[in-house]
Amino acid sequence: GQQVMQIPQYQHVQEGEDFTTYCNSSTTLSNIQWYKQRPGGHPVFLIQLVKSGEVKKQKRLTFQFGEAKKNSSLHITATQTTDVGTYFCPFNAGNMLTFGGGTRLMVKP
Amino acid sequence: NAGVMQNPRHLVRRRGQEARLRCSPMKGHSHVYWYRQLPEEGLKFMVYLQKENIIDESGMPKERFSAEFPKEGPSILRIQQVVRGDSAAYFCASSPTRGIGNEQFFGPGTRLTVL
Repeated sequence: GQQVMQIPQYQHVQEGEDFTTYCNSSTTLSNIQWYKQRPGGHPVFLIQLVKSGEVKKQKRLTFQFGEAKKNSSLHITATQTTDVGTYFCPFNAGNMLTFGGGTRLMVKP
Repeated sequence: NAGVMQNPRHLVRRRGQEARLRCSPMKGHSHVYWYRQLPEEGLKFMVYLQKENIIDESGMPKERFSAEFPKEGPSILRIQQVVRGDSAAYFCASSPTRGIGNEQFFGPGTRLTVL
């Protein structure tokens, strides 16, 4: 089935460093959503991108949707320990979200 | 507006017992989704329900698992004759409408441990 591939699987950063995770699809997406799951927690919706080339910011987080609507990225500037968690970009098939393994971010203080 | 509620938060069962997981969607949401997450993995879709109807159960195991969302009361995910491989976190999510582009609001999950 259709799915979105995400890289990297894991990322260790020093607090204050930047972090980026990428999602790639072989087919054009109508939209892409991003979720964050803290260790031991549940997924929390962060944002949805719909338009080609769209860029949205939430404080230190910057989300981009590619021009071809086949890829997306999440960039975190100056990471903090509160950013620890797994970031997902599930494929939204209408009836369900298809999750990959996500990118697990670990931040060393 | 209370979020999605799930109970119990933790459930321990012995092999062969039944597990019942409950989910109350957000107020005004009539679409409920169940997902299962094994340790260190992403969430896997199980079933999508609306009130009194199962819309998509393509992710449900063929045996021992069932789900319902009655007219009154919470959605229930039922696992009969649990086995150790059923140990996982089960998340419920809800949305106000269906379709591409709707965000899903997740509950805190039920951590099932099968001894």
